[in-house]
Amino acid sequence: GENVEQHPSTLSVQEGDSAVIKCTYSDSASNYFPWYKQELGKRPQLIIDIRSNVGEKKDQRIAVTLNKTAKHFSLHITETQPEDSAVYFCAAKVRFGAGTRLTVKP
Amino acid sequence: GAGVSQSPSNKVTEKGKDVELRCDPISGHTALYWYRQSLGQGLEFLIYFQGNSAPDKSGLPSDRFSAERTGGSVSTLTIQRTQQEDSAVYLCASSRTGTSGGARNEQFFGPGTRLTVL
Repeated sequence: GENVEQHPSTLSVQEGDSAVIKCTYSDSASNYFPWYKQELGKRPQLIIDIRSNVGEKKDQRIAVTLNKTAKHFSLHITETQPEDSAVYFCAAKVRFGAGTRLTVKP
Repeated sequence: GAGVSQSPSNKVTEKGKDVELRCDPISGHTALYWYRQSLGQGLEFLIYFQGNSAPDKSGLPSDRFSAERTGGSVSTLTIQRTQQEDSAVYLCASSRTGTSGGARNEQFFGPGTRLTVL
């Protein structure tokens, strides 16, 4: 089955800085890679996803990059804001990474 | 339309009792997933349904856990002889398609059932 590893587990940045979260996966047959954001006390919600036929996708301040050869994908958040503070999860098939707690300090 | 719903929202039970958790997916979603999330922890996969069958139930932690889905819609997760370590939030999610084929497979999560085993 699929195994997903996510790093770092916690990340603290100053408002306006960039944040990068990385995930690796094990199953080369995986072909869809979403990122979810979970705010405190709320359910996870999709913020961006990428399919295996592209290497990068952007949506305003967030972007995801995929390296299928190396089996890793990353979430990039630019110009971070305090409301970006949350736990972020990557996923491949039914498996989720352990999560990254992002804190953006004003 | 309505999102994923789960019931009950909270369940407190005594050790050794059986509990049943219910999930109503978004209408028309063929795939349904159960996850468990302990306080401050990640999303632990339990089981995945495609229609009424479960192609992946590798995440069920023990034979005390079982799940079924009927009519390609509602799913119930049953925990028999509950233990204190079963205490967690149980999240259900559904998606329009399953995990194969590379289609966009966004999961929509329910609000969860908070289970407390005393």
